[in-house]
Amino acid sequence: EAGVVQSPRYKIIEKKQPVAFWCNPISGHNTLYWYLQNLGQGPELLIRYENEEAVDDSQLPKDRFSAERLKGVDSTLKIQPAELGDSAVYLCASSFRGGGEETQYFGPGTRLLVL
Amino acid sequence: AQSVTQPDIHITVSEGASLELRCNYSYGATPYLFWYVQSPGQGLQLLLKYFSGDTLVQGIKGFEAEFKRSQSSFNLRKPSVHWSDAAEYFCAVGPFNFGNEKLTFGTGTRLTIIP
Repeated sequence: EAGVVQSPRYKIIEKKQPVAFWCNPISGHNTLYWYLQNLGQGPELLIRYENEEAVDDSQLPKDRFSAERLKGVDSTLKIQPAELGDSAVYLCASSFRGGGEETQYFGPGTRLLVL
Repeated sequence: AQSVTQPDIHITVSEGASLELRCNYSYGATPYLFWYVQSPGQGLQLLLKYFSGDTLVQGIKGFEAEFKRSQSSFNLRKPSVHWSDAAEYFCAVGPFNFGNEKLTFGTGTRLTIIP
């Protein structure tokens, strides 16, 4: 079974430039998560989707971050414009939510460096 | 709100020695508990999980963890570590009910293995 796929794996951009990350979840998983992981820290939730609907985006900085999950499968996370402090790892995870005991599976992450 | 504490930032263990990584959580009800491992430059891999039932759970790579409600702990153990176990280990708690599906992670414990 294929795992969560993310691209690109690495991205270096200059500040004020836009950047986008893509995630393809595990087949059949209806819930998709984007997490931010700063150096030396655990992941923190940015946004959670159930199918096409963003059901928890309370931690997403909406002035510069946006996300979408068209057709309830793939998702894109965008930053525009990027700031130096956005340098971090962006992790995508997916799960099947339906039976109460939910396990999230993570992709390899996109490592962003903003110069 | 739930929280997770991993009191050891960095642990060094000799190859072949036993290992115990500590995890304490704060949550008002019975939590769902997880241990993930992250190798350098990689995403998070699920080691094991506890939802209910037997409080001693077995995971992959020879790891096990024990849920102790009285101590609000979910410590990870391995009887004999291998050099390939060197990585960052994250404990996470998630209630996954009543619409609150957020996974909360600890800050991680970095494991170094010496020959």
